[in-house]
Amino acid sequence: AQSVTQLDSQVPVFEEAPVELRCNYSSSVSVYLFWYVQYPNQGLQLLLKYLSGSTLVKGINGFEAEFNKSQTSFHLRKPSVHISDTAEYFCAVSKNQGGKLIFGQGTELSVKP
Amino acid sequence: DAGVTQSPTHLIKTRGQQVTLRCSPKSGHDTVSWYQQALGQGPQFIFQYYEEEERQRGNFPDRFSGHQFPNYSSELNVNALLLGDSALYLCASSSILAGGPSGRNEQFFGPGTRLTVL
Repeated sequence: AQSVTQLDSQVPVFEEAPVELRCNYSSSVSVYLFWYVQYPNQGLQLLLKYLSGSTLVKGINGFEAEFNKSQTSFHLRKPSVHISDTAEYFCAVSKNQGGKLIFGQGTELSVKP
Repeated sequence: DAGVTQSPTHLIKTRGQQVTLRCSPKSGHDTVSWYQQALGQGPQFIFQYYEEEERQRGNFPDRFSGHQFPNYSSELNVNALLLGDSALYLCASSSILAGGPSGRNEQFFGPGTRLTVL
Protein backbone atom coordinates (compact mmCIF):
# COMPACT_ATOMS: atom_id res chain seq x y z
CA ALA A 1 0.00 0.00 0.00
CA GLN A 2 1.07 3.56 -0.58
CA SER A 3 0.91 6.52 1.78
CA VAL A 4 1.87 10.18 1.64
CA THR A 5 3.00 12.43 4.47
CA GLN A 6 3.16 16.17 4.12
CA LEU A 7 5.38 17.28 6.91
CA ASP A 8 4.01 20.79 7.41
CA SER A 9 0.32 21.58 7.75
CA GLN A 10 0.91 25.33 7.48
CA VAL A 11 3.77 27.34 5.97
CA PRO A 12 3.70 31.11 6.38
CA VAL A 13 6.18 33.03 4.23
CA PHE A 14 6.77 36.60 3.14
CA GLU A 15 6.33 37.68 -0.46
CA GLU A 16 9.42 37.18 -2.68
CA ALA A 17 10.95 34.73 -0.19
CA PRO A 18 11.80 31.15 -1.21
CA VAL A 19 9.61 28.30 -0.03
CA GLU A 20 9.84 24.52 0.26
CA LEU A 21 6.84 22.28 0.92
CA ARG A 22 7.89 18.83 2.08
CA CYS A 23 6.42 15.52 0.99
CA ASN A 24 7.48 11.98 1.87
CA TYR A 25 5.88 8.85 0.50
CA SER A 26 5.85 5.17 1.26
CA SER A 27 5.38 2.48 -1.35
CA SER A 28 6.52 -1.06 -2.04
CA VAL A 29 6.29 -0.47 -5.79
CA SER A 30 7.37 2.25 -8.18
CA VAL A 31 4.98 5.18 -8.15
CA TYR A 32 4.21 8.31 -10.04
CA LEU A 33 4.32 11.52 -8.00
CA PHE A 34 2.23 14.65 -8.30
CA TRP A 35 1.75 18.06 -6.74
CA TYR A 36 -1.67 19.69 -6.98
CA VAL A 37 -2.76 23.16 -5.86
CA GLN A 38 -6.23 24.04 -4.58
CA TYR A 39 -7.32 27.67 -4.41
CA PRO A 40 -10.22 28.52 -2.06
CA ASN A 41 -13.53 27.05 -3.17
CA GLN A 42 -12.01 25.46 -6.25
CA GLY A 43 -10.97 22.03 -7.48
CA LEU A 44 -7.43 20.77 -7.83
CA GLN A 45 -4.99 21.97 -10.47
CA LEU A 46 -1.91 19.97 -11.43
CA LEU A 47 1.33 21.83 -10.72
CA LEU A 48 3.78 19.16 -11.85
CA LYS A 49 4.35 15.42 -12.05
CA TYR A 50 7.21 12.95 -11.93
CA LEU A 51 6.86 9.87 -14.10
CA SER A 52 10.46 8.89 -14.86
CA GLY A 53 13.73 10.35 -16.08
CA SER A 54 15.23 13.53 -14.67
CA THR A 55 14.63 13.82 -10.95
CA LEU A 56 14.16 17.59 -11.15
CA VAL A 57 10.73 18.40 -12.46
CA LYS A 58 9.59 21.87 -13.47
CA GLY A 59 5.94 22.83 -13.33
CA ILE A 60 3.65 25.76 -13.81
CA ASN A 61 3.83 29.09 -11.99
CA GLY A 62 7.58 28.77 -11.37
CA PHE A 63 7.34 25.70 -9.12
CA GLU A 64 9.73 22.77 -9.27
CA ALA A 65 10.14 19.53 -7.35
CA GLU A 66 12.92 17.04 -6.87
CA PHE A 67 12.36 13.30 -6.66
CA ASN A 68 14.70 11.59 -4.22
CA LYS A 69 14.26 7.84 -4.35
CA SER A 70 16.64 7.02 -1.48
CA GLN A 71 14.83 9.41 0.85
CA THR A 72 11.39 8.69 -0.68
CA SER A 73 10.76 12.41 -0.91
CA PHE A 74 9.27 14.76 -3.47
CA HIS A 75 9.65 18.28 -2.06
CA LEU A 76 8.12 21.26 -3.85
CA ARG A 77 10.07 24.50 -4.16
CA LYS A 78 9.71 28.00 -5.50
CA PRO A 79 12.56 30.54 -5.37
CA SER A 80 10.31 33.60 -4.94
CA VAL A 81 6.64 33.41 -3.96
CA HIS A 82 3.84 35.84 -4.74
CA ILE A 83 0.69 36.71 -2.83
CA SER A 84 -1.25 34.79 -5.50
CA ASP A 85 0.52 31.55 -4.47
CA THR A 86 -1.54 31.49 -1.27
CA ALA A 87 -3.42 28.19 -1.50
CA GLU A 88 -3.53 24.58 -0.28
CA TYR A 89 -0.95 22.27 -1.80
CA PHE A 90 -1.35 18.51 -2.04
CA CYS A 91 1.25 15.87 -2.76
CA ALA A 92 -0.09 12.64 -4.27
CA VAL A 93 1.15 9.25 -5.49
CA SER A 94 -0.27 6.73 -7.89
CA LYS A 95 0.79 3.32 -9.19
CA ASN A 96 -0.26 4.43 -12.66
CA GLN A 97 -0.72 7.86 -14.12
CA GLY A 98 -4.48 7.93 -14.52
CA GLY A 99 -5.34 5.64 -11.66
CA LYS A 100 -6.20 6.00 -8.00
CA LEU A 101 -4.42 8.96 -6.42
CA ILE A 102 -3.42 8.82 -2.78
CA PHE A 103 -3.13 12.29 -1.31
CA GLY A 104 -1.35 13.76 1.65
CA GLN A 105 -3.17 15.90 4.19
CA GLY A 106 -2.20 19.11 2.46
CA THR A 107 0.00 22.11 3.27
CA GLU A 108 -1.54 25.54 3.57
CA LEU A 109 0.84 28.10 2.06
CA SER A 110 0.16 31.61 3.27
CA VAL A 111 2.12 34.39 1.56
CA LYS A 112 2.20 37.67 3.44
CA PRO A 113 3.15 41.10 2.04
CA ASP B 1 -12.44 23.42 -24.54
CA ALA B 2 -14.59 22.92 -21.46
CA GLY B 3 -12.85 21.27 -18.58
CA VAL B 4 -14.44 18.90 -16.09
CA THR B 5 -17.85 20.16 -14.99
CA GLN B 6 -19.85 19.13 -11.96
CA SER B 7 -23.38 19.78 -10.78
CA PRO B 8 -24.79 20.97 -8.56
CA THR B 9 -22.29 23.35 -6.97
CA HIS B 10 -23.81 23.08 -3.51
CA LEU B 11 -26.32 20.73 -1.98
CA ILE B 12 -27.96 20.47 1.43
CA LYS B 13 -29.57 17.21 2.53
CA THR B 14 -30.76 15.68 5.79
CA ARG B 15 -29.65 12.44 7.37
CA GLY B 16 -31.11 9.35 5.75
CA GLN B 17 -31.75 10.99 2.40
CA GLN B 18 -30.21 9.99 -0.89
CA VAL B 19 -28.18 12.25 -3.21
CA THR B 20 -26.97 12.14 -6.81
CA LEU B 21 -24.00 14.16 -8.01
CA ARG B 22 -23.12 14.58 -11.68
CA CYS B 23 -19.90 14.96 -13.62
CA SER B 24 -19.04 15.63 -17.25
CA PRO B 25 -15.45 14.78 -18.15
CA LYS B 26 -13.06 16.93 -20.12
CA SER B 27 -13.55 16.60 -23.86
CA GLY B 28 -11.73 13.52 -25.18
CA HIS B 29 -11.53 11.82 -21.79
CA ASP B 30 -13.04 8.39 -21.18
CA THR B 31 -12.29 7.68 -17.54
CA VAL B 32 -13.92 9.28 -14.50
CA SER B 33 -12.80 9.08 -10.89
CA TRP B 34 -14.59 10.37 -7.79
CA TYR B 35 -12.97 11.66 -4.60
CA GLN B 36 -14.31 12.79 -1.23
CA GLN B 37 -12.56 15.70 0.46
CA ALA B 38 -13.58 16.30 4.06
CA LEU B 39 -12.85 19.71 5.55
CA GLY B 40 -9.16 20.15 6.23
CA GLN B 41 -8.24 16.80 4.66
CA GLY B 42 -6.76 15.57 1.43
CA PRO B 43 -9.08 13.98 -1.14
CA GLN B 44 -9.85 10.28 -0.72
CA PHE B 45 -10.47 8.02 -3.70
CA ILE B 46 -14.00 6.60 -3.92
CA PHE B 47 -14.00 4.77 -7.27
CA GLN B 48 -13.10 4.97 -10.95
CA TYR B 49 -15.25 4.22 -13.99
CA TYR B 50 -14.12 3.24 -17.46
CA GLU B 51 -16.22 1.73 -20.25
CA GLU B 52 -19.29 2.08 -18.02
CA GLU B 53 -17.86 -0.26 -15.39
CA GLU B 54 -16.38 0.32 -11.95
CA ARG B 55 -12.69 -0.52 -12.36
CA GLN B 56 -11.23 0.44 -9.00
CA ARG B 57 -12.76 1.16 -5.63
CA GLY B 58 -11.45 2.79 -2.50
CA ASN B 59 -12.42 2.05 1.08
CA PHE B 60 -16.00 3.33 0.97
CA PRO B 61 -19.18 1.48 1.97
CA ASP B 62 -21.74 0.18 -0.49
CA ARG B 63 -23.89 3.24 0.22
CA PHE B 64 -21.63 4.91 -2.33
CA SER B 65 -22.39 3.80 -5.87
CA GLY B 66 -21.82 5.18 -9.31
CA HIS B 67 -22.61 4.99 -12.93
CA GLN B 68 -20.96 5.94 -16.19
CA PHE B 69 -22.98 6.66 -19.29
CA PRO B 70 -22.08 5.99 -22.94
CA ASN B 71 -21.09 9.65 -23.37
CA TYR B 72 -18.53 9.13 -20.52
CA SER B 73 -20.39 11.35 -18.04
CA SER B 74 -20.84 9.94 -14.59
CA GLU B 75 -23.02 10.03 -11.48
CA LEU B 76 -22.16 9.43 -7.86
CA ASN B 77 -25.02 8.24 -5.66
CA VAL B 78 -24.94 8.17 -1.90
CA ASN B 79 -27.75 6.46 0.03
CA ALA B 80 -28.76 6.78 3.67
CA LEU B 81 -26.74 9.94 4.18
CA LEU B 82 -24.80 10.38 7.41
CA LEU B 83 -23.50 13.59 8.96
CA GLY B 84 -20.00 12.35 8.15
CA ASP B 85 -20.77 12.37 4.44
CA SER B 86 -20.58 16.17 4.48
CA ALA B 87 -17.65 16.99 2.21
CA LEU B 88 -16.51 18.38 -1.11
CA TYR B 89 -16.97 15.70 -3.77
CA LEU B 90 -14.50 15.98 -6.61
CA CYS B 91 -14.71 14.40 -10.02
CA ALA B 92 -11.59 13.86 -12.12
CA SER B 93 -11.24 12.67 -15.69
CA SER B 94 -8.43 11.18 -17.73
CA SER B 95 -7.91 9.41 -21.04
CA ILE B 96 -6.52 5.97 -21.61
CA LEU B 97 -5.48 7.03 -25.09
CA ALA B 98 -3.50 10.14 -24.15
CA GLY B 99 -0.90 8.78 -21.78
CA GLY B 100 1.36 6.89 -24.18
CA PRO B 101 3.56 4.28 -22.50
CA SER B 102 2.49 5.57 -19.09
CA GLY B 103 -1.10 4.60 -19.67
CA ARG B 104 -3.74 7.18 -18.98
CA ASN B 105 -2.72 10.82 -18.78
CA GLU B 106 -2.95 12.69 -15.51
CA GLN B 107 -6.30 13.38 -13.91
CA PHE B 108 -8.00 16.73 -14.42
CA PHE B 109 -10.29 17.81 -11.60
CA GLY B 110 -13.61 19.60 -11.62
CA PRO B 111 -14.56 22.35 -9.14
CA GLY B 112 -16.46 19.94 -6.91
CA THR B 113 -19.88 19.68 -5.31
CA ARG B 114 -20.13 20.82 -1.69
CA LEU B 115 -22.52 18.45 0.12
CA THR B 116 -23.82 19.39 3.55
CA VAL B 117 -25.76 16.80 5.54
CA LEU B 118 -27.84 18.16 8.42
